[in-house]
Order: sequence, then C-alpha cells, then structure tokens
Amino acid sequence: AQKITQTQPGMFVQEKEAVTLDCTYDTSDPSYGLFWYKQPSSGEMIFLIYQGSYDQQNATEGRYSLNFQKARKSANLVISASQLGDSAMYFCAMRETAKTSYDKVIFGPGTSLSVIP
Amino acid sequence: KAGVTQTPRYLIKTRGQQVTLSCSPISGHRSVSWYQQTPGQGLQFLFEYFSETQRNKGNFPGRFSGRQFSNSRSEMNVSTLELGDSALYLCASSQTSGRAGETQYFGPGTRLLVL
Repeated sequence: AQKITQTQPGMFVQEKEAVTLDCTYDTSDPSYGLFWYKQPSSGEMIFLIYQGSYDQQNATEGRYSLNFQKARKSANLVISASQLGDSAMYFCAMRETAKTSYDKVIFGPGTSLSVIP
Repeated sequence: KAGVTQTPRYLIKTRGQQVTLSCSPISGHRSVSWYQQTPGQGLQFLFEYFSETQRNKGNFPGRFSGRQFSNSRSEMNVSTLELGDSALYLCASSQTSGRAGETQYFGPGTRLLVL
C-alpha cells in the first residue's frame, strides 16, 4: 500500500533563509512519480515540482529543488531564499504506474510553513 | 490556457439534501480526479475519470458518485448529505491517465458546508 509521511506538521523560517520540508514515501512499484504542491489559505493546490523515480538528477524549479534519495525513499523539498508569500501548506504526493492505480495520487498530511519577516 | 475551473466556489446545504459540483478541466486534458479535503482526514482521493469512464475509486460510500461528459467536463454528486461531508472538494485534471510523470493541475475547489 502507498503511504506518504510528512513528519513536520508546522515549520517556521526567517525571510530570505532556506528551508527543507521532509517527505518519505513507501511503495513497491519501481516506477513512480513524486510531486510537491503548495496550498495557500485560498485553498487552491499549486504544482511546484516533480521527480520521477528513474530520474538521475534532482529536480529543480526556480527557488524549489527536490532532494531525492531513492534508497531512503525520501523526497525532501528545499525552498531557497524564503519569501513571505511562501507561507502556506505544502503537500508531498506520489503516483504509481501500476495499472490498478491509474491516476490515483496519494497525498501526505502536509506541512504548514510560516515565513517570518 | 485557462486553468481548471470549479463551480460553485461555495455552497451551504442542510443534512439530507443532495449536491452537484462541477469541474471543467484544462483544455486538452482528458483525465479528471476528485479529492475531498478535511482538517481531520486530509486529502482523500474520491474517484478519477478518463474518457467518460471511471477508472479508479477511493474508499467512499455510494452516496458519492460522479460522471464525465464527452467534453471532459466532470460532475460529482453527493446524495443524502451528512455533517461530515463538509469539506473542500478539489478537482484536478491531467492530459492522460496512468503515467507516473503526468502532473495533475488543481482547480480552486468548492467549499461545501453542511448544516
């Protein structure tokens, strides 16, 4: 069974500092995709970054990077140079490619990030 | 390109009523998934439609149903509403279905309050 764990319910970071949000996952499928989404208080889920299980390099997207450690089943999100607008809930998610899963994406419980001026 | 749209954005119903939520995916996207988000249970997968067929379903009672039209627009219906159905309902679309790297793009959600 799939499982996503985010052990940090809430985090604080000083503006302009970097922050790492933890995510570990559990799957027996060799082919899977990992995603990070941001959810501001407005409720909309905003796609941030994607990492494929077969990707050799860690994904980067602007100020976001994904520290992918496949053997540890870890996919931590790193936000560099935090901004006040980064304050939001952050969700780690995974999709397997097993036929029975189709487009089912499993989400972790989320981490609430607060950026302090 | 327009994003995923959901209507209505807010809804207040009473127990026992039924409700229909609508989702229009990004143009060209054929897969639509629905999620329920509550403070206690987090984000839970409801079901996924691809080419008018339900391909996957989460662990929700039969009161929750959905459908997809030929233009990929989707609706979900909840009958005999219960207080516990109060939640943010999120719709997500993607181009195809089943590929690990396929990104889902979410709509703004419908906030349902059941009194």
